[in-house]
Amino acid sequence: RKEVEQDPGPFNVPEGATVAFNCTYSNSASQSFFWYRQDCRKEPKLLMSVYSSGNEDGRFTAQLNRASQYISLLIRDSKLSDSATYLCVVNSGAGSYQLTFGKGTKLSVIP
Amino acid sequence: DADVTQTPRNRITKTGKRIMLECSQTKGHDRMYWYRQDPGLGLRLIYYSFDVKDINKGEISDGYSVSRQAQAKFSLSLESAIPNQTALYFCATSDFNTGELFFGEGSRLTVL
Repeated sequence: RKEVEQDPGPFNVPEGATVAFNCTYSNSASQSFFWYRQDCRKEPKLLMSVYSSGNEDGRFTAQLNRASQYISLLIRDSKLSDSATYLCVVNSGAGSYQLTFGKGTKLSVIP
Repeated sequence: DADVTQTPRNRITKTGKRIMLECSQTKGHDRMYWYRQDPGLGLRLIYYSFDVKDINKGEISDGYSVSRQAQAKFSLSLESAIPNQTALYFCATSDFNTGELFFGEGSRLTVL
């Protein structure tokens, strides 16, 4: 089983749709979790951290399920500007050098 | 101006040449990293450094070396470039408290 696994997509959704991405991780000792966004030919940027209790930032909701070892990202009311690749990132240790990146899920929001 | 700056942004070179990618940051972070990104493989860690005197190998360090010249500068060298080192290279720093990574804009390297 790969350390951090994501559905590569692409997810093609119409504007206004709700879309959800899942990410599974293999290391049960993983301590912190993140979603990064990467636009085409650009650097990744932090979208949001994922907390045990779940967290929401505007149209974005992230959830963590430790028992099943997966995290999710929900995007409501999709905008054209949400088109990007979403990277699931897992920190399996105390130091950030133990960050493992998923390969990313590509989202295209269509007019 | 970007907080994490990489040079060059694009480079085409030939097999066997020595290449240096440079990274400088104004975030004031102690922790710096070099990653490479390949289509279908995601981001993989090459080297990381937690301070000027600290250098550590990452997942894929073979064929690479690094130098941490100052808190703000971290360079990556390919002593003898080979075609399978063709990739997009990212330098990053991290916030010690939050773990958030801040990436440079990337250096696209092509080895012919």
